[in-house]
Amino acid sequence: GAVVSQHPSRVICKSGTSVKIECRSLDFQATTMFWYRQFPKQSLMLMATSNEGSKATYEQGVEKDKFLINHASLTLSTLTVTSAHPEDSSFYICSAIPGQGLGSSGYTFGSGTRLTVV
Amino acid sequence: AQSVTQLGSHVSVSEGALVLLRCNYSSSVPPYLFWYVQYPNQGLQLLLKYTSAATLVKGINGFEAEFKKSETSFHLTKPSAHMSDAAEYFCAVSGISGNTGKLIFGQGTTLQVKP
Repeated sequence: GAVVSQHPSRVICKSGTSVKIECRSLDFQATTMFWYRQFPKQSLMLMATSNEGSKATYEQGVEKDKFLINHASLTLSTLTVTSAHPEDSSFYICSAIPGQGLGSSGYTFGSGTRLTVV
Repeated sequence: AQSVTQLGSHVSVSEGALVLLRCNYSSSVPPYLFWYVQYPNQGLQLLLKYTSAATLVKGINGFEAEFKKSETSFHLTKPSAHMSDAAEYFCAVSGISGNTGKLIFGQGTTLQVKP
């Protein structure tokens, strides 16, 4: 089945530094990828929709200059948290849809990245 | 606009008992509906999905859900709970009925299974 690899699984960084999270579709081409943020004991909140070769579409309230998303190929999207602060500490999850759409395997999720900013 | 409401943030059942997790949706178009399970510090695993085919959907690990348009519900059930079923469960609806679209999640339900 469709597999999405997310890396790293855990990262600790100092306040003010930037962190890059990678999301790769391993066995399919993903024209669309989504980035979610999840606070402890809460649901997943969509941050942005990433389409290959075009600018990401950010949800209301998400700072696009702080959360940089690049979807340069059909198998890779990256989320960079710039000038991270402790309040950015969270669990970040990506998901991808195959080019064939939901009729195939549907949404596939990465295993998530636990970001801790100290 | 689409939305999902999961009734009950915590559900506790005894091992071997019926599991019922409730989900109601709101959608102006025929929805795609999903149930996901999440274990601590992990991503989401798809349990099952409804994509306008059969209204009773069977998923993995013995779970199933029934799409009821008249009740705008998509409740998740399992006849007999197992200790390994203890996790967080999310109901979700696709933002657009079709091939692509945002996935909108409910608030989640924590399932506790008591021995």
